[in-house]
Amino acid sequence: GESVGLHLPTLSVQEGDNSIINCAYSNSASDYFIWYKQESGKGPQFIIDIRSNMDKRQGQRVTVLLNKTVKHLSLQIAATQPGDSAVYFCAGTPNSGGGADGLTFGKGTHLIIQP
Amino acid sequence: NAGVTQTPKFRVLKTGQSMTLLCAQDMNHEYMYWYRQDPGMGLRLIHYSVGEGTTAKGEVPDGYNVSRLKKQNFLLGLESAAPSQTSVYFCASVKGRDFPSMYGELFFGEGSRLTVL
Repeated sequence: GESVGLHLPTLSVQEGDNSIINCAYSNSASDYFIWYKQESGKGPQFIIDIRSNMDKRQGQRVTVLLNKTVKHLSLQIAATQPGDSAVYFCAGTPNSGGGADGLTFGKGTHLIIQP
Repeated sequence: NAGVTQTPKFRVLKTGQSMTLLCAQDMNHEYMYWYRQDPGMGLRLIHYSVGEGTTAKGEVPDGYNVSRLKKQNFLLGLESAAPSQTSVYFCASVKGRDFPSMYGELFFGEGSRLTVL
């Protein structure tokens, strides 16, 4: 089955630096991955997604990289700002056959921005 | 637009008590989900629904029941609460088309914090 996990529970970076949050997955049939941001006391919010036929996708200040060979993806946040402080989750589809039973979420990485 | 609204936001129960969490969405979404979030763990799927009148079990369904009598509402019930059900519960909804990219538009509520003593 799908197993999605993050390498580090907490990541501390200086304001203005770039952040890299990593995620590993176990199911090579996974088609689609999403990064969510969860601020304290709120529900997760979509940041960026990537399909398995892509290696890289860029958004505003964020980039997701997918390495299917080692089943790893990462979220890069450029010029980290105080508002980026949150828990970041990667999530993947359980299988490539489709299905409504939602996503499998990783445990989350708490990004802390140091002034 | 309210999006996804969960009530109540906080609740304290004693072991053995029952309660219902209500999730309401005003986006005409077909699919609705209930997740629980525990410290140091990601969100785990409890139950989900792909349309009015239908429900299905997720990863951790034991001790919970759900109902989707109206398209806009998804209720999560605890018949006999246990301390292990102390958690933050999140409801989410999505339109239900164009799998899997539909998850890019998965909307979450703000959570319901439940404590069972």
